[in-house]
Amino acid sequence: EAGVAQSPRYKIIEKRQSVAFWCNPISGHATLYWYQQILGQGPKLLIQFQNNGVVDDSQLPKDRFSAERLKGVDSTLKIQPAKLEDSAVYLCASSPTGRRNTEAFFGQGTRLTVV
Amino acid sequence: AQSVTQPDIHITVSEGASLELRCNYSYGATPYLFWYVQSPGQGLQLLLKYFSGDTLVQGIKGFEAEFKRSQSSFNLRKPSVHWSDAAEYFCAVATDTGRRALTFGSGTRLQVQP
Repeated sequence: EAGVAQSPRYKIIEKRQSVAFWCNPISGHATLYWYQQILGQGPKLLIQFQNNGVVDDSQLPKDRFSAERLKGVDSTLKIQPAKLEDSAVYLCASSPTGRRNTEAFFGQGTRLTVV
Repeated sequence: AQSVTQPDIHITVSEGASLELRCNYSYGATPYLFWYVQSPGQGLQLLLKYFSGDTLVQGIKGFEAEFKRSQSSFNLRKPSVHWSDAAEYFCAVATDTGRRALTFGSGTRLQVQP
């Protein structure tokens, strides 16, 4: 089966600009996650969707970050305005819902550099 | 809230030597435990997972891990390391209730010497 698709792979922007990332999960996966991975650290959950509803966005900096998942499939994550500390890899992952004993599948990520 | 500690930031081993990467977790109930590997510029690939049952879990690429509830540990092992195993390794925990989102450790970078 096709994996989790993310685009773009790389993005360089200036601080205070806006940027958007796109994720297409594995077909049929109801749960979608966005993680932020700062260099030298483990991934940190930003937001979790189940279908098109938000399950957990407690660690999303809502003054500048937003995310949506229209129709319960694709998702976009937006940063506006970007700060230098937003430089990181943004990972999207998906998993089936209602199936026990399964793991999350990750995309290759989008590397964001804010200059 | 759950947490994961990987005490070794960087480990260097010789090719053919054995490997053990340490992972300790903090969670009050039954944890779901995972090891992922990340090569440079790549996403995360699942090596193995523990949900229940046999506490010794076999994974891909010859890796195994043992869940020890009394020590809150889930250490990753490999009997003979190959140069291609050089990468970053992440231990992660998820809860056994609805949300299932992963909490990751800070990772261990493995370097393999010829």
